[in-house]
Amino acid sequence: EIVLTQSPGTLSLSPGERATLSCRASRSVVSRYFAWYQQKPGQAPRLLIYSASSRATGIPDRFSGSGSGTDFTLTISRLEPEDFAVYYCQQYGTSGTSPPVTFGGGTKVEIK
Amino acid sequence: EVQLVESGGAVVQPGGSLRLSCAASGFIFSKFWMHWVRQAPGEGLLWVSRIEGDGSGTIYADSVKGRFTISRDNAKNTLYLQMNSLTVEDTAIYYCARENYEIWHWGQGTLVTVSS
Repeated sequence: EIVLTQSPGTLSLSPGERATLSCRASRSVVSRYFAWYQQKPGQAPRLLIYSASSRATGIPDRFSGSGSGTDFTLTISRLEPEDFAVYYCQQYGTSGTSPPVTFGGGTKVEIK
Repeated sequence: EVQLVESGGAVVQPGGSLRLSCAASGFIFSKFWMHWVRQAPGEGLLWVSRIEGDGSGTIYADSVKGRFTISRDNAKNTLYLQMNSLTVEDTAIYYCARENYEIWHWGQGTLVTVSS
C-alpha cells in the first residue's frame, strides 16, 4: 500500500497569507495520477490540481501544485476567505499496488 | 455536463444489507472506470472499490472485500454498490466517482448509517 502523509494536520493562517501544504508518499508515485482536492463541510471533494501541477477547470491561479516522486506540495499564494477548508492529496495508477487508490489524511486550513 | 447522483443511503442495522446506486449522465458511461469512495463522519477519504468500463474487472479495499460488490448496468447508465454484513464501521458518506485518466469527477454522496 502507498501511504500518503499530509503535513501539517492543521494550518492556522490569516486571509492574504501564503499556505504551503505537503504530501509525502511512502514510495514513488506516478505524477500523472497525483491530485489535490479541497473539501468544505457538507460538500463533496472538489478537484483542484491533477497530474501534480495542472489546475482543474475553473480553479483560480492562486492555487499551484508541484513535486514528483514521493514529495508533493500544494501552495495557495494568497488565502481568500473561501479557501479555508480541508485539503486532501490522492494517488492512483501506480502498478502493482494494493489498494490502487489512496488518499492522504488531510490538512485543515483554518482562520487564525 | 457530467452528473453523478448517488442514492440508496439509509439507516440500517448491523448485519444488514443495502444497495447504493449512482446514476450517471452527460457522458458515455460505458467508456469510463468508476469508483466508490467513502468518508466516515469527521474522517478522511477512503477508497472502497473500482470497476472497469465493461464491468469485467473489479477490485476492492481489504476492509470490504467479500462483503461489498460493485457492479454496473451500462444500458441504464448506473453504478451500484451492494453492501452486505454491514457493521458500524461502514457508517459513512459514500461517493461515486468517474475516473477519466487524470481527472476524477465526483457525485455529492449518499449517507449510510449502520446503527441498532
